[in-house]
Amino acid sequence: DAGITQSPRYKITETGRQVTLMCHQTWSHSYMFWYRQDLGHGLRLIYYSAAADITDKGEVPDGYVVSRSKTENFPLTLESATRSQTSVYFCASSVGLTADQPQHFGDGTRLSIL
Amino acid sequence: AQSVTQLDSHVSVSEGTPVLLRCNYSSSYSPSLFWYVQHPNKGLQLLLKYTSAATLVKGINGFEAEFKKSETSFHLTKPSAHMSDAAEYFCVVSEGSGYSTLTFGKGTMLLVSP
Repeated sequence: DAGITQSPRYKITETGRQVTLMCHQTWSHSYMFWYRQDLGHGLRLIYYSAAADITDKGEVPDGYVVSRSKTENFPLTLESATRSQTSVYFCASSVGLTADQPQHFGDGTRLSIL
Repeated sequence: AQSVTQLDSHVSVSEGTPVLLRCNYSSSYSPSLFWYVQHPNKGLQLLLKYTSAATLVKGINGFEAEFKKSETSFHLTKPSAHMSDAAEYFCVVSEGSGYSTLTFGKGTMLLVSP
């Protein structure tokens, strides 16, 4: 089925480890986004991408790295995980440039850093 | 700069009674406004959007919202709550009709009792 898939759904790791969260969409949407969701903060944008090889920082980019070599994939890497990065991470995509194009969300990755 | 305030962190209603979830926004330009719903362990789903057309916007599952520029509000309503409406709801703002990243409210948890 067409859609947006995140993997893994759950991940436990230790501080200092590198971890990569995967996001794959089948719509060929140009834009892709990474958010983190924390209690009391709603969703905050980490990074976004307008197309393959074009990425830009969002509100909370520190400690994260992204890449987009293919339109359909947008992995998020925590190079040296910290406890403050324990969160639920959502990937989203949208088709166009205008604000009236809704973003479509994956089901999230729940990441715990011990 | 844009921002959004959801005035209630939790709203409790009985099944069959009206729902009102309140949202105020701040935007330097004519905003686009959205309501998203998140069911447990799921991603966000678009309920409805306002993008400078009709001020009363109808969405899925019987929800609607009214854009009131004078009050800078975009409250979400439903005439009769159903048990399946229990979820977290996010008000979201994007500045203008051109591309702009989304700013999320902190969410309102809707509890529906039988």
